[in-house]
Parts: sequence; structure tokens; C-alpha cells
Amino acid sequence: EAGVAQSPRYKIIEKRQSVAFWCNPISGHATLYWYQQILGQGPKLLIQFQNNGVVDDSQLPKDRFSAERLKGVDSTLKIQPAKLEDSAVYLCASIGKGGYEQYFGPGTRLTVT
Amino acid sequence: SQQGEEDPQALSIQEGENATMNCSYKTSINNLQWYRQNSGRGLVHLILIRSNEREKHSGRLRVTLDTSKKSSSLLITASRAADTASYFCATDAGGTALIFGKGTTLSVSS
Repeated sequence: EAGVAQSPRYKIIEKRQSVAFWCNPISGHATLYWYQQILGQGPKLLIQFQNNGVVDDSQLPKDRFSAERLKGVDSTLKIQPAKLEDSAVYLCASIGKGGYEQYFGPGTRLTVT
Repeated sequence: SQQGEEDPQALSIQEGENATMNCSYKTSINNLQWYRQNSGRGLVHLILIRSNEREKHSGRLRVTLDTSKKSSSLLITASRAADTASYFCATDAGGTALIFGKGTTLSVSS
């Protein structure tokens, strides 16, 4: 089966610009996660979706970050405006029904200058 | 906030040696997972151990869990150069979302 797809793989923007990331989970996976991984640290959950509903967005900086999963399949994560500290790898993951193992995409490496 | 803390932060060994890395966490869990991350294959699930299990094996991997000490260990036996990667423990936050530690960077030289 195809894995979790993410695009773009790399993005360089200047601070105060906006950026969007796209994720397509494994087919049939209802639960989708976005994580932020800063260099030298483990991934940190930003938001969790179950189908097209938000389960947990308690760690999402809502003043600048937004995410949606309108049809319960693919998802977009947006940052507007970006700050230098947003430089990180943004990982998308999905999980099958009743499962615990998360399947991660390759990530988008964001550099904010 | 990060739940798990891996120890050591970095580990260098020779091929054929065993590698042990430890993880401590703060709150009660339902299960604990270990993931591996390298530049070639991204973040990949290795093994899951449930809170009512004490030890689990998968190929060259052995995981232990001590819920009384809130700690886990991952043993990789007969290490290979291909095992060079960062290893993370991850615990559930009550649901299925994971809280990751900072990771242990393992270097295996031939």
C-alpha cells in the first residue's frame, strides 16, 4: 500500500510570509496527525484529526497556525505569518482503525530566514 | 511538553556489539512505543509494549517496561551499520496521539 504522502519536501521562506503543507494519509486511515520536529528534539503533536473533525489542537499556536481536513482525507497545515522559530520539519502521520502504530510521511523541512 | 527522556543522548558502538538505550516517562501510560528515524526512511515504528507487559521481542529488538519506575529500555543485539539512526520512545497521552522524547542518536561503525 502507498505510504503517507507529503509535499513539498523542502520550503524556504522569509519571516512574516505564509506557507502551506499538504498531507495525504494512507488510504482508509481515519486518524491524521501533524507533528512539528525541531532540530535535535522529538516530534511534538500540533493537531489530531478524526475524519474531518479536530480531536486535539491544544498545542497548535492558533494565532498563526491553522489546519483543515475538509473531506476527511487529505489535510493542509498553514502558517501565517511565519516566525524564525517555526523552522522545523513538519511531519504528518496516520493510523488505522483500532491501531496504535503511526505511519509517518517523509516530512516537510521548513526554513524561515 | 515532552513525556519521555531517552538516555544516553548519543551512543557509538562497533558492528556486532549490543546497543541499549533507556527511556523514562512521567505519567501513567497505556502503551509505550519505540520509533527509529534516519534520513533515508524517515520515522518508522519499531515495537509497541503495553502497560501490562514487561518484556517484548521482535527480531534483534528487545524492549522492557517497568511501570513502577516509569521506564523502558530498548536493546538492539548484534548491531549493524544500518542501525545507525535516532531512536525515540513515545508514550500515549490518553488517546492515540504520541508524546516523544528527545531521542538517542546511535552510530554503528564497521
